[in-house]
Amino acid sequence: KNQVEQSPQSLIILEGKNCTLQCNYTVSPFSNLRWYKQDTGRGPVSLTIMTFSENTKSNGRYTATLDADTKQSSLHITASQLSDSASYICVVFKTGGSYIPTFGRGTSLIVHP
Amino acid sequence: DTGVSQDPRHKITKRGQNVTFRCDPISEHNRLYWYRQTLGQGPEFLTYFQNEAQLEKSRLLSDRFSAERPKGSFSTLEIQRTEQGDSAMYLCASSLRWGTETYEQYFGPGTRLTVT
Repeated sequence: KNQVEQSPQSLIILEGKNCTLQCNYTVSPFSNLRWYKQDTGRGPVSLTIMTFSENTKSNGRYTATLDADTKQSSLHITASQLSDSASYICVVFKTGGSYIPTFGRGTSLIVHP
Repeated sequence: DTGVSQDPRHKITKRGQNVTFRCDPISEHNRLYWYRQTLGQGPEFLTYFQNEAQLEKSRLLSDRFSAERPKGSFSTLEIQRTEQGDSAMYLCASSLRWGTETYEQYFGPGTRLTVT
């Protein structure tokens, strides 16, 4: 079964601190992996897209890594801000004719002042 | 604002009623996806269109659900005989895809459905 597992389920950090979110997947055959940020009551917003050959991709204070061999990805947030409080969702797309994405349940991040 | 709009933003309906949601994607995008998201969960795929053709449907999309994308522009998602279990956020997303290139998916703000 194609799955995407995220950890931790929730995380509370102080403003200015760094944090790392994890995503493990079993989706196969792999096409690409995406990280989204979703504020409460709003649609997800794309942070990064990584294909098989990409190991690291940055978007401002967000850095995503991908290890396609171990089927693991991480999202590192540097110098967190209050506005980083949101749900972070890992999504994996398959290849081979089916373009149905598999979403993780998300990690809920709360940044306290 | 991502450029993808959804209408209405909120809908409250009684069990057994029919509801229809609309999604207007970014104009040049040929792919359009519908997702359902319940509280505390990630979005679940429902269906997607390439232009006007509905290419895949999830098993979650029961006979009470139907989606259309006439002329490959806006799309509608209709739920007939709503049930309380249909209460969720319904998200629409659009993207541009040509060949094997991977393009970003832009989500709308969602339609929050509450079935009483």
